Amino acid sequence: AQSVAQPEDQVNVAEGNPLTVKCTYSVSGNPYLFWYVQYPNRGLQFLLKYITGDNLVKGSYGFEAEFNKSQTSFHLKKPSALVSDSALYFCAVRDPDTGRRALTFGSGTRLQVQP
Amino acid sequence: DVKVTQSSRYLVKRTGEKVFLECVQDMDHENMFWYRQDPGLGLRLIYFSYDVKMKEKGDIPEGYSVSREKKERFSLILESASTNQTSMYLCASSYPRAGTDTQYFGPGTRLTVL
Repeated sequence: AQSVAQPEDQVNVAEGNPLTVKCTYSVSGNPYLFWYVQYPNRGLQFLLKYITGDNLVKGSYGFEAEFNKSQTSFHLKKPSALVSDSALYFCAVRDPDTGRRALTFGSGTRLQVQP
Repeated sequence: DVKVTQSSRYLVKRTGEKVFLECVQDMDHENMFWYRQDPGLGLRLIYFSYDVKMKEKGDIPEGYSVSREKKERFSLILESASTNQTSMYLCASSYPRAGTDTQYFGPGTRLTVL
């Protein structure tokens, strides 16, 4: 079975400070990992993904994420937060070895960036 | 750019009504998905289709059915709507080649069942 956990319901950070949104996963094989963002009353937008290769993945809007196999984590980071980054963030995983073709999503983390 | 559209942004229905939610994608993607989104629960997969007329149950298929008669269109059907089906419904599509699992989402339909 594949699963993903986002341990924080909400993260608060001041504008200009670095931000981290945490994600841990559980799969039996090598994971495909994704981050999506949802702005109010909108669908999910793709931010970045890890399939293979370099553990540090860069994505849209200045976000990056680091794949850590030993800690089974895929935390989302940004060096300097903007107020416009305030949104709901979802981590997702797929284990390609299981035959399951769909992603499993975490419960989401609301990021609040204060001016 | 991939475009996934959903037939309604907001829908209000009564208990027992039959409800159709439509999703259309314009990128010739084989895979299409229906999720529901509820606060604190994230997205949960209802049904998945990997080709025309092909479907697989997701994690919470009870009370729902789907139809995929054309590659670009995937419909979610609530045979007899109930109040516990009040939710945000999200459709997504993807191209099933290795390394391209990225799913593209529609804007969502917020369904209220009274």
